[in-house]
Amino acid sequence: EDKVVQSPLSLVVHEGDTVTLNCSYEVTNFRSLLWYKQEKKAPTFLFMLTSSGIEKKSGRLSSILDKKELFSILNITATQTGDSAIYLCAVYNNDMRFGAGTRLTVKP
Amino acid sequence: EAGVVQSPRYKIIEKKQPVAFWCNPISGHNTLYWYLQNLGQGPELLIRYENEEAVDDSQLPKDRFSAERLKGVDSTLKIQPAELGDSAVYLCAAGTGEGYGYTFGSGTRLTVV
Repeated sequence: EDKVVQSPLSLVVHEGDTVTLNCSYEVTNFRSLLWYKQEKKAPTFLFMLTSSGIEKKSGRLSSILDKKELFSILNITATQTGDSAIYLCAVYNNDMRFGAGTRLTVKP
Repeated sequence: EAGVVQSPRYKIIEKKQPVAFWCNPISGHNTLYWYLQNLGQGPELLIRYENEEAVDDSQLPKDRFSAERLKGVDSTLKIQPAELGDSAVYLCAAGTGEGYGYTFGSGTRLTVV
C-alpha cells in the first residue's frame, strides 16, 4: 500500500530559526513529489521534484529529493511568523496522495 | 483566471440528510480530484477524474458517496445519507496531469449534526 509519512507532525520555532521538514514515501510507479503550504483551507503549491539531488529554491524555501532513500526535505531559513502553516507533502503516481502534514508555528 | 471555485463554502445539515458539493475547475484542467480532509490530517483521496471518466474511485465509499463530472468540466460530489463522521472539509483540485502543481479550491466545510 502506498504511504507518505511526514515528520515532525508539529514544530514550534522562533522567528529567524531555520527548520527542516521531512517526507518519506513508499509508492509504486513514482513520478514526482510535491510540497504544498496550507494556511487556511486551500493548499498552495510550493515545489515539484522529480529528480534526485536537484535543489529547488524559492526565496527562503528550498527542497530536495532523494529517490534512492525515498525521502524529501523542505528547508525554511530565517523563518517569519507568516510561515506558520501546515506543510503538506504529496507523491504523484497518477494519483496524488498526501502525508498528514507538519504544522509549523513561528513565534515572534 | 478565477481558479478552482467550490461551493458552498460551508454547509450544516442533520444526519441522514443528503448534501452536494460543486467544483468548477480552471478551463482546460482535465484532471480533477476530490479530497476529504479531517482536522489535523492531510487530504485523503476520494476520486480522480480524467476528463469525464472516473479513473480511480477505489477510495470512495460508494454506499453513500457518489460523484459525477458531466462534459469533463464541473464536478459534483454527493453524500446520501450523511453521517456524523462525514463532517470534514471537502477539497477539489484540478490540473493538467503529469504531477504539475495542482490548484485547489477553498473547500467546503461540512458539519453534520
